[in-house]
Amino acid sequence: NAGVTQTPKFQVLKTGQSMTLQCAQDMNHNSMYWYRQDPGMGLRLIYYSASEGTTDKGEVPNGYNVSRLNKREFSLRLESAAPSQTSVYFCASSEGDRAYEQYFGPGTRLTVT
Amino acid sequence: KQEVTQIPAALSVPEGENLVLNCSFTDSAIYNLQWFRQDPGKGLTSLLLIQSSQREQTSGRLNASLDKSSGRSTLYIAASQPGDSATYLCAVRPLTGTASKLTFGTGTRLQVTL
Repeated sequence: NAGVTQTPKFQVLKTGQSMTLQCAQDMNHNSMYWYRQDPGMGLRLIYYSASEGTTDKGEVPNGYNVSRLNKREFSLRLESAAPSQTSVYFCASSEGDRAYEQYFGPGTRLTVT
Repeated sequence: KQEVTQIPAALSVPEGENLVLNCSFTDSAIYNLQWFRQDPGKGLTSLLLIQSSQREQTSGRLNASLDKSSGRSTLYIAASQPGDSATYLCAVRPLTGTASKLTFGTGTRLQVTL
């Protein structure tokens, strides 16, 4: 069991470029999440998908889009990267919604210059 | 707005010592609280999940307690080892509203020295 996997591990973008961060889980979880982690600010929820076919905004959704491709995969897209999006991005999943533990991937370290 | 605070931000203890990490939150209307460990450059590993109806949870050398009314949780680590060195994060999930929105503290960086 790989758990939650993310690609790529590292990425450098120039301002204005676009990219998609990929996330997959093999635990048959219903819910998936995207967070960003910034020094001194903790982790903040960008978007989440409570179940296949649904997505909702989290705390900091501006500048991002998501796609729940199927039950396993949840991607995060930056359409026009900005330096403020330099961060570490984590994908997570959970069996269900409120009552369940969230399991995290290893993260993608993104730098926008 | 829920705020989660973890004090101290960093802690260094000698191997073998028992220690307590603190987590406080401003809104007691929580569904549950989760403790994580994060190693440098890595993702988060779930340690313990305490539902709001529970007072404590144990896993091996770890014991987490929850006092919802006072807005506090503690993570007790017994007989600390150098392998316990990591950043420990707590996060709370709201009782109502967006169920998926975990609010995280900024963590306590623990170093266990030989």
